[in-house]
Amino acid sequence: EAQVTQNPRYLITVTGKKLTVTCSQNMNHEYMSWYRQDPGLGLRQIYYSMNVEVTDKGDVPEGYKVSRKEKRNFPLILESPSPNQTSLYFCASKSSGGPPNEQFFGPGTRLTVL
Amino acid sequence: QKEVEQDPGPLSVPEGAIVSLNCTYSNSAFQYFMWYRQYSRKGPELLMYTYSSGNKEDGRFTAQVDKSSKYISLFIRDSQPSDSATYLCAMSATNNDMRFGAGTRLTVKP
Repeated sequence: EAQVTQNPRYLITVTGKKLTVTCSQNMNHEYMSWYRQDPGLGLRQIYYSMNVEVTDKGDVPEGYKVSRKEKRNFPLILESPSPNQTSLYFCASKSSGGPPNEQFFGPGTRLTVL
Repeated sequence: QKEVEQDPGPLSVPEGAIVSLNCTYSNSAFQYFMWYRQYSRKGPELLMYTYSSGNKEDGRFTAQVDKSSKYISLFIRDSQPSDSATYLCAMSATNNDMRFGAGTRLTVKP
């Protein structure tokens, strides 16, 4: 089954404790992206990657890092999480040349930073 | 001013009603227009897609784009309780950027 998976689905942590949220897709997509979803603000893009070893900032990259060492994986790293990073996070992927409507979303990771 | 404006609702309608959801935008470069449906504790899933202006119909759903007014709509006919979800509009100027509305929470009551 074609899908985007994220782990963990739920995470409660404390300020300053480094964490990684994993994202994996099995559709051989070149393009992958991370979003955060907050009430009243919709989804906002954090980082995206056009292909392996190619990443770029989205609209809200502060406090986040990403890496793209393999085509299927695109982890989101919070080096020193803060309470304002409490949010619902989504990973998405699509073919690089494909239109934006072909973007598939993962199930989401709900992060709480205390 | 936000690039994409969407009334967050909530919107509550009786089963069988016609639902109208709307978004306005400010960026005239947008040419891809999408509606996503998001059930509770799930990721967004694509519901409707329109390129440039015009209408598109898929079963009970109709998407309309009016680029001259920078206004897009989603109509749901004969609404069902299973349509209860948050509906997100999204739009894009290129293949790789996307701007989302805040989402409208819809409840269809039996």
